[in-house]
Amino acid sequence: EAGVTQSPTHLIKTRGQQATLRCSPISGHTSVYWYQQALGLGLQFLLWYDEGEERNRGNFPPRFSGRQFPNYSSELNVNALELEDSALYLCASSPPTGGYTFGSGTRLTVV
Amino acid sequence: QKEVEQNSGPLSVPEGAIASLNCTYSDRGSQSFFWYRQYSGKSPELIMFIYSNGDKEDGRFTAQLNKASQYVSLLIRDSQPSDSATYLCAVEEPGGYQKVTFGTGTKLQVIP
Repeated sequence: EAGVTQSPTHLIKTRGQQATLRCSPISGHTSVYWYQQALGLGLQFLLWYDEGEERNRGNFPPRFSGRQFPNYSSELNVNALELEDSALYLCASSPPTGGYTFGSGTRLTVV
Repeated sequence: QKEVEQNSGPLSVPEGAIASLNCTYSDRGSQSFFWYRQYSGKSPELIMFIYSNGDKEDGRFTAQLNKASQYVSLLIRDSQPSDSATYLCAVEEPGGYQKVTFGTGTKLQVIP
């Protein structure tokens, strides 16, 4: 069974640009969770998508947005990038047993 | 603001000893608790989850939950150098909104 896949692995953007991050959950899983892990901070909940709908959102500004496609893959968009957006962005599936299975993450660097 | 608190460490233990990692949480209604291990530069990996008061054992790992004290712990027996990592405590908020709050993690160093 393939795990959670994320792309790209690394992304370097200039302040003010837009970044698009992609995630495919474990096959058969309909939910996708996005988390941000900035240096020195814990994982911060960003978004939860299920069955194509945004179900819950963390305490992030509207320039963080996303969507989920009919095949349950997901995209996270970050507009008007700021230096503090530099972080590891993690996508996760949730197996029936509980908890998260994370992808390997996308490291976003804003310069 | 829901909080999950962990001592950042580092916690240093000799090889073969028991490592004890602790976590407190603020939301008394929380029902699901998780421990993740994160090696440097890698993504977190789920190692234990616990839903009921008491102990849950899985190999060298034991998770302990005390809801009255709002306290979760992870014991690692016979610690190995390969256990050196950051351990993240995570608590799922009640209400079915699938929102999990993570602590900032405790860095464990197992000294050979």
